[in-house]
Order: sequence, then structure tokens, then C-alpha cells
Amino acid sequence: GAVVSQHPSWVICKSGTSVKIECRSLDFQATTMFWYRQFPKQSLMLMATSNEGSKATYEQGVEKDKFLINHASLTLSTLTVTSAHPEDSSFYICSAPRWGEQYFGPGTRLTVT
Amino acid sequence: QQQVKQSPQSLIVQKGGISIINCAYENTAFDYFPWYQQFPGKGPALLIAIRPDVSEKKEGRFTISFNKSAKQFSLHIMDSQPGDSATYFCAASRNYGGSQGNLIFGKGTKLSVKP
Repeated sequence: GAVVSQHPSWVICKSGTSVKIECRSLDFQATTMFWYRQFPKQSLMLMATSNEGSKATYEQGVEKDKFLINHASLTLSTLTVTSAHPEDSSFYICSAPRWGEQYFGPGTRLTVT
Repeated sequence: QQQVKQSPQSLIVQKGGISIINCAYENTAFDYFPWYQQFPGKGPALLIAIRPDVSEKKEGRFTISFNKSAKQFSLHIMDSQPGDSATYFCAASRNYGGSQGNLIFGKGTKLSVKP
């Protein structure tokens, strides 16, 4: 069964608005979660590492003020895309480690119009 | 040093054949090498993973071969089926004192299995 869930699976928002994506670990605790972005026909690129109870670590080139990450509990990390623009349209995927393996959520398709 | 190079970019195999995808890495600190299968519009699903203390791992029709000295690893899919048609990603990461580090992904291989 699923190990990591994401919500919503698909969201459309207008340019300039904000959207929140949730990532949950199911039946296990994750002190660390990872957020990736995937453009069509491309590979996954790490955006940031979400740490429970502390600030997220962002990869070079990722705007931390635009992509807000909150890891408020051991089973939930959220990614908020603020002031979204059409170029932010992408597939956002989170992952969490469990038993030494990395498991991914089903992804969230974001379309900014 | 952080790159993982994957080949081929695309692969067409007849049903029942063997699919082989190769990956190479440079960072010798990597110690976890998973393969993921991804269908369109879905998140990557973990297929099989290996650590450097073994040279081969098999799970069902899927086998990873690992060559530590050459810094290469490959995925073999035996008896390939049309349902295996998907994009496959290799990846690598480093375990920081028990805390799984982030994955570095290859560019992916689109596999098509013809009936």
C-alpha cells in the first residue's frame, strides 16, 4: 500500500495566488522529507529538504521565500507556492525515508493560469 | 561529482526480452542505489535498491548488478512485458549517519515493450 500521500493530486490556480501542497507519511514518522519538482519529460530535481522542527534546507537556485516549507509534525510537511506564476506549473513530488529506503508520494500537478 | 549518468534515453524491447538500463556515478561516498519506475502522471515507485556491499540483487524479474570499482550499476528486467512500459530512473544517495540523504537522479529511460 501507499507509504506517502500527497494532497491535492491536481490543482489549478490563478497567477499571483498561493497554493499549499501537503505531504504525509502514512503509519510512520519522518523527521526528514524531501520535495522534488519534475517538468514534463524530465527527471526529478530536488528543491528542498524539509526538517521537522527546524528550517528547511533549499537547493541552490530555489527561492525560499517563494516556496515555503513547513514540517510542523513528524508525519506532515507542506509546500506553499506563493505568488504563483505560469512558470511554476510543474509536477511536485515529496518523498520520505523509511527503513533505509526512499518512498515517493503520488505527486501534485500544479497548473498556474 | 554529484551526477548520475543514465543510458539509454529510450529503449524498445520485444515482449519476453531482456531490458537493460545502465547508470554510472562519480561520487564514491554514495552508498544507496535505488531504481524507480514511473508511469505518466504518477509518482516514482521504488522497484529495487542495492548497497555497495553486494554485487547483485534480484527481486522477481528485476535484477540490479553493481560494479563498485567501475562505479556503475544496471537494471535488468527479465521476460519484459507490455505492462513494464514506463520511465525508469536510477538514483544515488549518501547515508549521513543513519539519516537518508537526498537522491540524485539520472535523466531517465523510457522503456517500451512491444507485444
